[in-house]
Amino acid sequence: GQQLNQSPQSMFIQEGEDVSMNCTSSSIFNTWLWYKQEPGEGPVLLIALYKAGELTSNGRLTAQFGITRKDSFLNISASIPSDVGIYFCAGQGEYGNKLVFGAGTILRVKS
Amino acid sequence: ETGVTQTPRHLVMGMTNKKSLKCEQHLGHNAMYWYKQSAKKPLELMFVYNFKEQTENNSVPSRFSPECPNSSHLFLHLHTLQPEDSALYLCASSQGSGPDTQYFGPGTRLTVL
Repeated sequence: GQQLNQSPQSMFIQEGEDVSMNCTSSSIFNTWLWYKQEPGEGPVLLIALYKAGELTSNGRLTAQFGITRKDSFLNISASIPSDVGIYFCAGQGEYGNKLVFGAGTILRVKS
Repeated sequence: ETGVTQTPRHLVMGMTNKKSLKCEQHLGHNAMYWYKQSAKKPLELMFVYNFKEQTENNSVPSRFSPECPNSSHLFLHLHTLQPEDSALYLCASSQGSGPDTQYFGPGTRLTVL
């Protein structure tokens, strides 16, 4: 079945630093999504990407849909304490509306 | 405010109990989903409903029984669960066609004693 490799598994960074995380797959995806989940809550959609090569920003967050359609990255610039949480990538293939999720990147920010 | 609500937010039940989880979406979507999230594991898709019809059952044990009476409501009926079923149960909804973005509810934290 389709699988996503998300890295890094966790990051502990200083407030103000930039953060980068990525997801790769052996399969092609038509849609890439990035979610953030805080303790005790459901994942919240951050950015949706629908076209290969697409680069989209949402405030301090920037995500790109890889040109091969097999990868995506998320960057967070100038991190702040409220960026703490688990970030998930998710990909949607050519058939149906199922999403495949990465295992998540745990982000901790030291102020 | 995600437009997807879930009740209850927390549930503790014994292995012989019967309980139900409820999900409601206010987004006008046609597809609804149940996911299970256990510690240190990726989200596991359990069930998918498109236009009230179940289109996916991801080899879920029969002690979990979904119900989708209309496009806005989704239930997960629970009976004779095991302690390893303790997890966060998430509901999501999406348009159900085209490039499809799923929106999640806050989840129900289930503990089986």
